[in-house]
Amino acid sequence: KQEVTQIPAALSVPEGENLVLNCSFTDSAIYNLQWFRQDPGKGLTSLLLIQSSQREQTSGRLNASLDKSSGRSTLYIAASQPGDSATYLCAVRHNYGQNFVFGPGTRLSVLP
Amino acid sequence: DAEITQSPRHKITETGRQVTLACHQTWNHNNMFWYRQDLGHGLRLIHYSYGVHDTNKGEVSDGYSVSRSNTEDLPLTLESAASSQTSVYFCASSDLPRGGGTDTQYFGPGTRLTVL
Repeated sequence: KQEVTQIPAALSVPEGENLVLNCSFTDSAIYNLQWFRQDPGKGLTSLLLIQSSQREQTSGRLNASLDKSSGRSTLYIAASQPGDSATYLCAVRHNYGQNFVFGPGTRLSVLP
Repeated sequence: DAEITQSPRHKITETGRQVTLACHQTWNHNNMFWYRQDLGHGLRLIHYSYGVHDTNKGEVSDGYSVSRSNTEDLPLTLESAASSQTSVYFCASSDLPRGGGTDTQYFGPGTRLTVL
């Protein structure tokens, strides 16, 4: 059974810092991996999706990398802003199924 | 603009009552999903559908049912609500991945359900 973990569970940084969020999964047979953002009381918003054949994806200040063999993905946020404060979740979709398995999330606070 | 909506946004009900949560998407997506989100458990899949008249059980399907009569809607029914079903429920949709194309999931705003 696929398990997804995220470290750290919570992170607080001053504005302007570059930061890395980590996602680990136990079964490397994935179809793709997706990073989401969730604001308090709201639904999830997709940030980046990496196909299993890709190594990274970039969108603005966000860069996500994928290392299937080691079962890891990282989300890099450059020059963090208070508006980046949210919970960030990663989710993997299996090769042999079509369902996403979600990690528990990292709660990020960017202090002005 | 295409969107995915859920109703109601908040619901309080009593133990034993039947409750139906609505999910409507205008993306014309084939795949639709229901999740629940609880502290300490994260997001867990309840039911999912890959197309009209197709439904499948997820990780935590006991006590829940869905039906898919058209592309746009996937209502979630709690047959006899229990206090353990107090949670925030999210609906999501995605398109079938074609030739390695994107498989982005789009989420609704959620329904907060309280079972007393």
